[in-house]
Amino acid sequence: GENVEQHPSTLSVQEGDSAVIKCTYSDSASNYFPWYKQELGKRPQLIIDIRSNVGEKKDQRIAVTLNKTAKHFSLHITETQPEDSAVYFCAAGRFAGGTSYGKLTFGQGTILTVHP
Amino acid sequence: GAVVSQHPSRVICKSGTSVKIECRSLDFQATTMFWYRQFPKQSLMLMATSNEGSKATYEQGVEKDKFLINHASLTLSTLTVTSAHPEDSSFYICSARGRDTSRFLYGYTFGSGTRLTVV
Repeated sequence: GENVEQHPSTLSVQEGDSAVIKCTYSDSASNYFPWYKQELGKRPQLIIDIRSNVGEKKDQRIAVTLNKTAKHFSLHITETQPEDSAVYFCAAGRFAGGTSYGKLTFGQGTILTVHP
Repeated sequence: GAVVSQHPSRVICKSGTSVKIECRSLDFQATTMFWYRQFPKQSLMLMATSNEGSKATYEQGVEKDKFLINHASLTLSTLTVTSAHPEDSSFYICSARGRDTSRFLYGYTFGSGTRLTVV
């Protein structure tokens, strides 16, 4: 099955700095890579996702890059703010035919702390 | 947007009793429901996948007789933790995929989670 490794486990940055979280996956058939932000006791919130036919996607301060050959993808947050502090999870999954989605395998999570 | 309503949000039960957790999809039909378990400071681990009207598929190491999943309708899936023990204490969360009446596809819509504490 799929195995997703995420690094670092903790990341501490100063407000305004950039933060980068990296993930690798094992299943070359995976073609959907979402990133989630989870606050304590809350549900994961999708912040950005990328499909394997795209190498990079950006949404304001958040960007994701994908290297299919190396089987790794990264989350980039620029101009970090204290409210960005949370646990971030990457995940990998496979379209189960057509436009439907298969199960997701999550990385171990990164605790991001942004100091004011 | 799509919403999955999960109840209860918190439950405390005695060891040996059973607990039922419900997830309802609002404004879309959840053809598939994924059930996850998350221990403190850990990642989400998939327990099982259920498709409406079919038996659930359990991940390796998950006891299907202990974690009963029912997905009898397109808007309701339930997880019952039977004969709960303290080691079952965890955060359980569902995630639904399906389509609305306009056939718009919702990939992964998470419920708000259930904090189960077994004493």
